[in-house]
This record gives sequence, C-alpha cells and structure tokens, in this order.
Amino acid sequence: DTEVTQTPKHLVMGMTNKKSLKCEQHMGHRAMYWYKQKAKKPPELMFVYSYEKLSINESVPSRFSPECPNSSLLNLHLHALQPEDSALYLCASSQSGTSGFYEQYFGPGTRLTVT
Amino acid sequence: AQTVTQSQPEMSVQEAETVTLSCTYDTSENNYYLFWYKQPPSRQMILVIRQEAYKQQNATENRFSVNFQKAAKSFSLKISDSQLGDTAMYFCALDGNKLVFGAGTILRVKS
Repeated sequence: DTEVTQTPKHLVMGMTNKKSLKCEQHMGHRAMYWYKQKAKKPPELMFVYSYEKLSINESVPSRFSPECPNSSLLNLHLHALQPEDSALYLCASSQSGTSGFYEQYFGPGTRLTVT
Repeated sequence: AQTVTQSQPEMSVQEAETVTLSCTYDTSENNYYLFWYKQPPSRQMILVIRQEAYKQQNATENRFSVNFQKAAKSFSLKISDSQLGDTAMYFCALDGNKLVFGAGTILRVKS
C-alpha cells in the first residue's frame, strides 16, 4: 500500500472558523510533511515531522498549527485564516526524514477556500 | 540555499514523439538528490524519476530518462514515445536538506 490519504477533499471556511485537515499513511513511514500549493505554482514546504517530532517549520504563521498524534497521522489545525491562505494543501510521507534518500509520497490534497 | 530553475513554462509534443524538459539547479550541499515529479490536472503528484548526485550514471525508468550534468548543475528529463497520459505539470525538484521545487513545466501531448 503506497497510499497517502487526505480528508476532506474540499473545505470552505470563514475567517473566524476553526477547522482541521487530516493526513494518514500506513506505509510505516516515519517522516511526514505539509506543503501549500497555489494554482499553477510549485508546492512550498510548510512543516516536517520526523519520528513524530516537528523538525522543520518554514516560518509558517501561527494560524496554522500542525500536530502528529502518531507515526501514521498528521493533522493541520486552521484558525483565523485569511483569504490568501486559499490553496491546495498537500501531505506527503517518506520512510525517514533523511533528505532525499527516500522518496516522498504525496496525497491528493485538500483544496481549501477561505471566504 | 537551494534553487531550482525550469525555464520552459509550457511545452507541447505530438503523441509518440520525444520531448526534453530542462532544469538547472544550485545548492551548496555536497550530497543531494534530484527528482522529476508529475502532477496531472486535478490529480495526485507522483514521482517520475530520481537521481542521486553521487552517481554518474543517468537514471532511467521505462520511457523516462534524465541527462544529469553535475558540473553544469543541469538535470533534464527526456520522455520518449510520448503518450496522451503524459499530459501534466512536471516539476523538477532538489533535496539537499529539504525538497525544493522548480516553477514547473506544463507539458501537453497532442494526438
């Protein structure tokens, strides 16, 4: 099973809402990632978890709060977002956080619209 | 710092023909990895091919091959016998300490 799943597929939220994005993998991978992708742009790294510990935070605003409850699950909690945060949010996982040695597997993404 | 440059925003190719997508990069890391990812319209990002920088031999995966020129920091992707299903955005990516993507090249395969 080489699948990374993400829920929900689509999310529309107001600027005062609190919502969460969920990512799951059952490949035994120990590194998980959140990326933000605007239309027709490349993905931009937001967070990296390695062995359930946050190892990289790319200076992401605090209205995005990641959580890794266990090695198979990765959440992204959203609060007080801005319209410019509307994007496709991609989750990825890899066997470990060792750079590049293990490929990253991407999920299908959650398309977020902030109104 | 790591940078990846894809200078071809869009390309098109006839079915069954060969096309080459260009990519140059820069990094201060000694050990790094290079990738081509494919993202079809409204579909999942998948890995096409991977190259370890310490290996001189160019990677190949079926119809996909790369031309890795380490000194020139160039990493182009050749797609042979193009198929309609190859239509997608192609991202060149570099991982020295984190994965960094180029701007992407939209490839359209025409019948």
